[in-house]
Formats: sequence, C-alpha cells, structure tokens
Amino acid sequence: DAKTTQPPSMDCAEGRAANLPCNHSTISGNEYVYWYRQIHSQGPQYIIHGLKNNETNEMASLIITEDRKSSTLILPHATLRDTAVYYCIVRVASNTGKLIFGQGTTLQVKP
Amino acid sequence: NAGVTQTPKFQVLKTGQSMTLQCAQDMNHEYMSWYRQDPGMGLRLIHYSVGAGITDQGEVPNGYNVSRSTTEDFPLRLLSAAPSQTSVYFCASSRQEWNEQFFGPGTRLTVL
Repeated sequence: DAKTTQPPSMDCAEGRAANLPCNHSTISGNEYVYWYRQIHSQGPQYIIHGLKNNETNEMASLIITEDRKSSTLILPHATLRDTAVYYCIVRVASNTGKLIFGQGTTLQVKP
Repeated sequence: NAGVTQTPKFQVLKTGQSMTLQCAQDMNHEYMSWYRQDPGMGLRLIHYSVGAGITDQGEVPNGYNVSRSTTEDFPLRLLSAAPSQTSVYFCASSRQEWNEQFFGPGTRLTVL
C-alpha cells in the first residue's frame, strides 16, 4: 500500500470549511483513498473513500487530483465535535483488509 | 444494532497472567480484525479473520491468539501478558475485507 503524508496539525474556525490535505504520490491505479477519524480515545470512524472521482456523503467531500497523487478531505461546516485526528489511508480494494494508520492530522476546531 | 462491542473497557493484569478480550458484532459482517494503539502511534493490525473458521496474522501477532468459531464473535487471547502489551485494543468489522470498517470502543489494558 502506498505511503501517505499529512500535516501533523491544523486549526479551523467553527462553522467554516475544514480542508485536510493528503499526499500519496506513489499511489497505484488500483488503490483507493480512505479517510477515517478518531475522536479523543474512541475507536476510529470511517468517513469516506474514493478511487479517482470526487465523492460526497453526509459527513464530508473527498477531492482527488486528476493525477491521483494527492487528495483533500473537506468538512463543509466544521463543528467543535469534529475535533479529532484524521487519517488518510491508501489501500488496495481486495487485500487483507489491513488499514495502515500513519500519524494523521490533528484538527482542532475553535469557537 | 449495537454495532461492534468490546469487553472489558479497562483491565489491569500482572505479568504472566492470561486473559481474553471479547469482541462481538451484530451486523453479520464476514471480516473482523484486532488492532492495538500505543501512545502517539497509529493502529497496528494484530490478527484478522475473513470469515468463521478462518484467521490470519497481521503486523504484530506475537503473544496473541485468536479464533473465529462464529460470525459474531472474535476473541483475542493474551497467552502470557507482558508490560509491552500495555495498549489500547480495538476490534473492527466490515462486510468484506475491502469495505469500510466499523470499530469498537476499545479495551484499555495495563500490564504491570
């Protein structure tokens, strides 16, 4: 699975959009980009995933560049409850199911 | 649905003791897995199962055993606890190994 690079921390004002970048320059054609988050000490929570098209669900949007070397997770209206560590993970769709969690980005949403 | 449940929430063991961490899911998921998370680190895969009767090793399997006799349950056994196994343990499940995974609330284990 390809390696990902994320900034260690980011701040966002409550009510504003939070844009979390992820670099995955060595991604292969059959690898998906997944985003999970971990709030405080809870279990990680799935957010969204995509292959090459932009994706949107009730939680967030995922924008993947055309060359697929980077992506951005967008939380459109961040709230204090979105304060968490966000993990960008690249994996092949049919492997062991293993998720490789890096250090992630700690997003602090401020009032 | 209760989702993924884990028991106990907290546990303190002495070195050499054995115990079983319980994990159950009520979503009829085929895939289940165990991770450990150490301070300041990401999660690391211990063992996983793609269905009842099938288990395999992950990244850090030493010192742990698993079995999968039913679809719902995936217990993790510590054979002889060591201080290096002090960690937070998370169980996860998904419909298949390539689907999004649902995580339990975790078990915080301290080995003295």
